[in-house]
Amino acid sequence: QSVLTQPPSVSAAPGQKVTISCSGSSSNIGNNYVSWYQQLPGTAPKLLIYENNKRPSGIPDRFSGSKSGTSATLGITGLQTGDEADYYCGTWDSSLEKVFGGGTKLTVL
Amino acid sequence: QVQLVQSGAEVKKPGASVKVSCKASGYTFTGYYMHWVRQAPGQGLEWMGRINPNSGGTNYAQKFQGRVTMTRDTSISTAYMELSRLRSDDTAVYYCARGPPTTVTIDYWGQGTLVTVSS
Repeated sequence: QSVLTQPPSVSAAPGQKVTISCSGSSSNIGNNYVSWYQQLPGTAPKLLIYENNKRPSGIPDRFSGSKSGTSATLGITGLQTGDEADYYCGTWDSSLEKVFGGGTKLTVL
Repeated sequence: QVQLVQSGAEVKKPGASVKVSCKASGYTFTGYYMHWVRQAPGQGLEWMGRINPNSGGTNYAQKFQGRVTMTRDTSISTAYMELSRLRSDDTAVYYCARGPPTTVTIDYWGQGTLVTVSS
């Protein structure tokens, strides 16, 4: 049982937009920055978004992040087949531990 | 460029210990936390703890307290994670991952080390 709650799966057609939600509480998302990670099949996770809405160098602006209260959202526009992956949100918790969501599998139909 | 290169796959028996290494390059090793995150087969990410390579100070997840030890050797820019009293449900890919000191994120990940616990 993950501390942060994500939908197990989402899907959309190529070229479309999708959003992935991440729900937490005041002890984690409500008082800390949220990061998002992309994990392509068989590879290590990769940082997509940090501090709620910032993109590391090299991450296209098709990826965006936002946070409101105790929830965060990852948005992906112009979906490509190469975006098929598992996506995880993560943040710090007041228990002094980093916590992750259970992951969302994105299928590009 | 930042690189985190981990040691190879391990097969261990229940009750044994495993020590995974993570060699860092491309940045100042002592300037960033090193986190350890594991992923059981088909499951999500689970944070185990972190070490401050500069001071050697550690924060461990409650779940692993008493079983995990994180250390570092600054002379060779390498971090280590040792997990003891292994059980079958410790079978997972173990990742080291860099964490900037000024934010709670993790920005670079190692390639992962598969640890299999089986009798």
